[in-house]
Amino acid sequence: KQEVTQIPAALSVPEGENLVLNCSFTDSAIYNLQWFRQDPGKGLTSLLLIQSSQREQTSGRLNASLDKSSGRSTLYIAASQPGDSATYLCAVTPEDAGNMLTFGGGTRLMVKP
Amino acid sequence: DAGVIQSPRHEVTEMGQEVTLRCKPISGHDYLFWYRQTMMRGLELLIYFNNNVPIDDSGMPEDRFSAKMPNASFSTLKIQPSEPRDSAVYFCASSWTGADQPQHFGDGTRLSIL
Repeated sequence: KQEVTQIPAALSVPEGENLVLNCSFTDSAIYNLQWFRQDPGKGLTSLLLIQSSQREQTSGRLNASLDKSSGRSTLYIAASQPGDSATYLCAVTPEDAGNMLTFGGGTRLMVKP
Repeated sequence: DAGVIQSPRHEVTEMGQEVTLRCKPISGHDYLFWYRQTMMRGLELLIYFNNNVPIDDSGMPEDRFSAKMPNASFSTLKIQPSEPRDSAVYFCASSWTGADQPQHFGDGTRLSIL
């Protein structure tokens, strides 16, 4: 059974700092990996989607990498801002599970001004 | 684009009552997903539909839970009878065909069973 783990569970950094969020998964047979952002009281917003054949995706100050063979992904946030404060979740789509996502527990990020 | 619309946003009811959660997916999306989020278990997929047909309901916790999608623009998740341990935030999401398509989430229904 696929398990997705995110470390750390919570992170507090000063504004302007570059930071890395980690995601690991136990079964490397995945179709893709996604990073989501969740604000309090809101649903999830898809940030980046990396296909299994890709190594990374970039969007603005965000860069996500994927090492499928080792079961790891990182989300890099450059020059963090208070508006980046949210919970970040990663999720994988197993190869044999169609559109079904398995989520990690999330990293709660606070960027202090 | 109105996004995925869920109702109600909050529901408080007593144990034993029937609860119905509603979802309107993004127009044109042919996949619809129901998730449950709790502090203890995180985000769990309950059931998903493709073209209004249930594809996988293995995440539905008990027979007290049921979901329907009578047409492409509406789905319901029903709990009957409800229990305090059903208290959670329930999310609906929709997407285009293809596992490479991101899922778009609604803002959720926060359910409290007293």
